[in-house]
Amino acid sequence: SQQGEEDPQALSIQEGENATMNCSYKTSINNLQWYRQNSGRGLVHLILIRSNEREKHSGRLRVTLDTSKKSSSLLITASRAADTASYFCALTHSGNTPLVFGKGTRLSVIA
Amino acid sequence: DTAVSQTPKYLVTQMGNDKSIKCEQNLGHDTMYWYKQDSKKFLKIMFSYNNKELIINETVPNRFSPKSPDKAHLNLHINSLELGDSAVYFCASSQGHREVSQYFGPGTRLLVL
Repeated sequence: SQQGEEDPQALSIQEGENATMNCSYKTSINNLQWYRQNSGRGLVHLILIRSNEREKHSGRLRVTLDTSKKSSSLLITASRAADTASYFCALTHSGNTPLVFGKGTRLSVIA
Repeated sequence: DTAVSQTPKYLVTQMGNDKSIKCEQNLGHDTMYWYKQDSKKFLKIMFSYNNKELIINETVPNRFSPKSPDKAHLNLHINSLELGDSAVYFCASSQGHREVSQYFGPGTRLLVL
């Protein structure tokens, strides 16, 4: 299994701005998930998008998936200081394979 | 009310010692996992159990032995600890093990001196 590659590695924005993080991968996937990790905490599941879906929303989060480009993006609108965290994409390549995490994007939202 | 809990939260020990980390989930899930997160924040799966049966065993030294006494518990025992074992270990659970979201514990920070 291959992990996704998040881009950028780190992102710093002002409160109220939008934050966009990308995840690219090399082999076909069944689904892609985004997780958030606050400093010193466990990961929290945000959104799961399946390979036959193109876009999903959850509150201020919007995830897109382009299987032809093998990439996904996570958009956080109207960011808040509490959004400061690391964001990971995680891939499932087939039904029984383990979830493979990328190295994450560190987001800093400055008040 | 904690969904996935781990004990201890911090573990500092000497090389060569044997230690255990415990994990419990009260979500009624049938699948549990152990992950290792290194100093560069890279998170890698170690083991996965579904209904107390081992279903995923990634390339992990034999010194690591998971034990699942029931569906709600998955403990991790580590023998002969080495410096390279220093990391944060996360337990997680899910309902089913195919293409589902996972719920993570707060992590156990292990430091081997």
